[in-house]
Amino acid sequence: DIQMTQSPSSLSASVGDRVTITCRASQSVANYLSWYQHKPGQAPKLLIYAASTLQSGVPSRFSGSGSGTEFTLTISSVQPEDFATYFCQQSYTTLSLTFGGGTKVEIK
Amino acid sequence: QVQLQESGAGLVKPSETLSLTCTVSGVSITRDYWSWIRQPPGKGLEWIGYIYHSGSTNYNPSLKSRVTISVDTSKNQFSLKLTSVTAADAAVYYCARMTVAGTFSLFDYWGRGALVTVSS
Repeated sequence: DIQMTQSPSSLSASVGDRVTITCRASQSVANYLSWYQHKPGQAPKLLIYAASTLQSGVPSRFSGSGSGTEFTLTISSVQPEDFATYFCQQSYTTLSLTFGGGTKVEIK
Repeated sequence: QVQLQESGAGLVKPSETLSLTCTVSGVSITRDYWSWIRQPPGKGLEWIGYIYHSGSTNYNPSLKSRVTISVDTSKNQFSLKLTSVTAADAAVYYCARMTVAGTFSLFDYWGRGALVTVSS
């Protein structure tokens, strides 16, 4: 299995801050990397796929970058509705899809 | 709009079989792939497997011997069975649609999750 490691596991931020989350793969996944947002009691929401393609309807303050083994999700100016858990997922091997452990973004 | 809703027993005894159903609305299940994913308490997400409407499946190798995913196109539902459960199988179970954009597989719609506890 390809292991996905996210850092940090949690962070505190103020509204308006720039937030960056990192996801590292144990081997190259090219750009087969997606990012999701998950709020308690809600269905997870797809934000970005193909490492940097914004899903339809997702605000432009979200962006993704990276390829190979290192990826980042950036929120350029975090808003109150963005406080949630974010996780990455690789689809390089569709026979064994794997997720990162998640990063919880909390209000400072 | 597309909605997915998990249903099934929330309490399962050790060694018994966990059974969950996902009801899909807003889109026909006769396209795309349909998946189960779980999240044990305090842990990350684990992909369980997916099924195509034709019935072809792909399972997580670590669970393959105990998992069956099936589809009922007449009801627009798909189901999960996990046999011989232990405490390690306690989790929130999510159903999700996996679609393919070009060569990229992504989960674009999810249910809210169903909590399954394993206890005698």
